[in-house]
Amino acid sequence: DIQMTQSPSSLSASVGDSVTITCQASQDIKKYVNWYQQKSGKAPKLLMSGASHLDTGVPSRFSGSGSGTDFTFTISSLQPEDIATYYCQQYNDLPWTFGHGTKVEIK
Amino acid sequence: DVQLVESGGNLVQPGGSLRLSCTASGFTFRDYWMSWVRQAPGKGLEWVANIKPDGSEKYYVESVRGRFTISRDNAKNSLSLQMSSLSDDDTAVYYCARIDGVWYYDIWGQGTLVTVSS
Repeated sequence: DIQMTQSPSSLSASVGDSVTITCQASQDIKKYVNWYQQKSGKAPKLLMSGASHLDTGVPSRFSGSGSGTDFTFTISSLQPEDIATYYCQQYNDLPWTFGHGTKVEIK
Repeated sequence: DVQLVESGGNLVQPGGSLRLSCTASGFTFRDYWMSWVRQAPGKGLEWVANIKPDGSEKYYVESVRGRFTISRDNAKNSLSLQMSSLSDDDTAVYYCARIDGVWYYDIWGQGTLVTVSS
């Protein structure tokens, strides 16, 4: 199985700060990574597919990059509504696997 | 509105069985791969199973293979997950999710809670 090592597990930042989450795959997964946002008590929501393609309606302060084994997800200017847990997910091979999540809080 | 609504979650004893359902609306259900994803309390997301639009292909995570069966009824816009030999490790919120053609989950249900406990 492909392991997705996501870091940090949590972070606290101020409104307006730039925050970065990384995901490292245990093998080459090309660009087959999606990113999801999950707010407390809610279902996950797709933010980004194919490592860097923003889903429709997702604010442009969210961005993603990477290929191969190393991927980055960035919120360029953290907003109060971005409080959530963020997950990466690989779809290069079954079983599809998720990172363990990064909980983002406001300082 | 495009929507997925799960039902069937409940408290069940270890070794027991349960059937989850997911009803789709607002889109052509028979055109899409569908999936179950679960989340244990306070934990991350875990892919459980996928099913092809016509139901001819099914894939499972190793931990549920042989115990869970994913199925669909395209005439009723319905997805199901039959679960048996349940253990504590199966306690989770179970989400049904629509898979877009380029392999991402674009629509999720609200989830249904399965608790396995004596």
